[in-house]
Amino acid sequence: QSALTQPASVSGSPGQSITISCTGTSSDVGYYDYVSWYQQSPGEAPKLMIYDVTNRPSGVSSRFSGSKSGNTASLTISGLQAEDEADYYCSSYTNRRIWMFGGGTKLTVL
Amino acid sequence: EVQLVESGGGLVQPGGSLRLSCAASGFTFSNHWMNWVRQAPGKGLEWVANIKQDGSEKYYVDFVKGRFTISRDNAKNSLYLQMNSLRVEDTAIYYCVGRGRSSLIVEEYWGQGTLVTVSS
Repeated sequence: QSALTQPASVSGSPGQSITISCTGTSSDVGYYDYVSWYQQSPGEAPKLMIYDVTNRPSGVSSRFSGSKSGNTASLTISGLQAEDEADYYCSSYTNRRIWMFGGGTKLTVL
Repeated sequence: EVQLVESGGGLVQPGGSLRLSCAASGFTFSNHWMNWVRQAPGKGLEWVANIKQDGSEKYYVDFVKGRFTISRDNAKNSLYLQMNSLRVEDTAIYYCVGRGRSSLIVEEYWGQGTLVTVSS
């Protein structure tokens, strides 16, 4: 079971928008609309930012949005802020009834 | 306040066993699928296993099948992970994660994790 594919790193300046991709297969990302995105700061537990591809949990900024096309899901952060600097992980439910994570993307705010 | 508190981690030799526990409070434990997710030092997240609300369904990632067993006790609001035949590559922080769905709303809670170190 290979991890979902994410870029190792992305960067952007404050106020800009960035997008992180998450590529899977027709057995996971492309099979269900059960893609989630997590933010993890150093030394902390991950925090759910997006679930079911596009939905934000209560309390998550509207600057965070998700989408999916085929076997690739994406997380977009608009109006980038210094506090957004963290590691981001995607996850997807699969047709084997297990969950799978991406390898993670380090976001640097320049 | 929602709390998930993991315990039971520590140092164990290769081939040894450990039992992790997770005590839940502040939410309706019996309404949530419960998961174990791990993270090796400096590495990414790995989903390990989950168990349905009533314990009737359990799923595992391939690399722990036959070695790890997930279980729960809804009367005690507790989740467990029995880990046998431990390998060096099982070294990680193990997180307890609860996920529930009410209509279209998902609730998800994470513990702070417990560190398992497998080393001789």
